[in-house]
Amino acid sequence: GQQVMQIPQYQHVQEGEDFTTYCNSSTTLSNIQWYKQRPGGHPVFLIQLVKSGEVKKQKRLTFQFGEAKKNSSLHITATQTTDVGTYFCAKGSARQLTFGSGTQLTVLP
Amino acid sequence: EAEVAQSPRYKITEKSQAVAFWCDPISGHATLYWYRQILGQGPELLVQFQDESVVDDSQLPKDRFSAERLKGVDSTLKIQPAELGDSAMYLCASSLVNRGDAFFGQGTRLTVV
Repeated sequence: GQQVMQIPQYQHVQEGEDFTTYCNSSTTLSNIQWYKQRPGGHPVFLIQLVKSGEVKKQKRLTFQFGEAKKNSSLHITATQTTDVGTYFCAKGSARQLTFGSGTQLTVLP
Repeated sequence: EAEVAQSPRYKITEKSQAVAFWCDPISGHATLYWYRQILGQGPELLVQFQDESVVDDSQLPKDRFSAERLKGVDSTLKIQPAELGDSAMYLCASSLVNRGDAFFGQGTRLTVV
């Protein structure tokens, strides 16, 4: 079963608004990965975080790993319609990759 | 750009029939995963291979599911007999050894009727 919890399950935003999804684990994570799955598509790797407190940015996307390495967040600034999809966090490495339940983002034009 | 190839893209089968899915990972990727994704949920790991060896199949329903990767390259996932509850997307992914990021194929959408 799922070992990482994601909230919220669904999020509707107006284009231009910000969006944040959170990933929480009851155990310390060796690393956390983020994937995006467009409607009808397959998961696509976005980023991997490894270090405590790590922050990485990809254009309008900001990824953060908690100090205790038990939680992570993905923040999108000024959403666009191209951001629509489900965002998954996944715990582990090449030997174990377990996905959260995802946050489905809808961007209203 | 290298891709993970899966076939077929879509499969409709009657319950109690056998069905098989094929996956060809990115060249050089030793780790291969089979996931099942039910609509609205995250991918659930069924089996993980390192080369030709099974690393983790704890979530694979072994009474009806089997997976093999005989030469450590392409892989086949089989269901026999298929049940209505097996309807889902079956995703194959691969990664380099000791690298976390996984590359997914387009998936096989299975419908059991």
